[in-house]
Amino acid sequence: GQQVMQIPQYQHVQEGEDFTTYCNSSTTLSNIQWYKQRPGGHPVFLIQLVKSGEVKKQKRLTFQFGEAKKNSSLHITATQTTDVGTYFCVGSWGKLQFGAGTQVVVTP
Amino acid sequence: DAGVIQSPRHEVTEMGQEVTLRCKPISGHDYLFWYRQTMMRGLELLIYFNNNVPIDDSGMPEDRFSAKMPNASFSTLKIQPSEPRDSAVYFCASRISAGLNTEAFFGQGTRLTVV
Repeated sequence: GQQVMQIPQYQHVQEGEDFTTYCNSSTTLSNIQWYKQRPGGHPVFLIQLVKSGEVKKQKRLTFQFGEAKKNSSLHITATQTTDVGTYFCVGSWGKLQFGAGTQVVVTP
Repeated sequence: DAGVIQSPRHEVTEMGQEVTLRCKPISGHDYLFWYRQTMMRGLELLIYFNNNVPIDDSGMPEDRFSAKMPNASFSTLKIQPSEPRDSAVYFCASRISAGLNTEAFFGQGTRLTVV
């Protein structure tokens, strides 16, 4: 079914380093949402991107929507231990179907 | 608003027993989603409702699973009979439709263990 593919599935990061996770869709999206789930917690909404080429920042997090609205990325700079968790991108087909996500482990 | 409320938070039951999970969405939200999360299968969408009507139940694993939404403020997910492979965390989420898709709010989840 319709779903975005996310890579990588696992990311080990040294504290202070940067990393990027990517989402790709085979079909054009009207918008894309990002969620974060801390270990033992529930998914929490981070942001929604709607416009082609849109870039949004939340402190150390930078979200980008591709020009063709088929891909998106999340870039985190100067990773901290609080960034630990799984990051999900969700394509907008109404049914809010989550992909595998990127599980991020931060090494102090 | 207290957010999406799920009960119970934890449930341990014996194989073959009926299990009922409950969800109270945020007031005014017209979409409700049920998910199951396991290490092996990730976060799976089981079923979702719009205005209390089931829209897509293609994620429901089998006939042992059923979900209802008798009114806008309450939904249940029932497993009968339960099996050990049903052990997972079950999440309920709700959102409001307002033009383009809006953010979903998740409950704390119900951790189900079937022994």
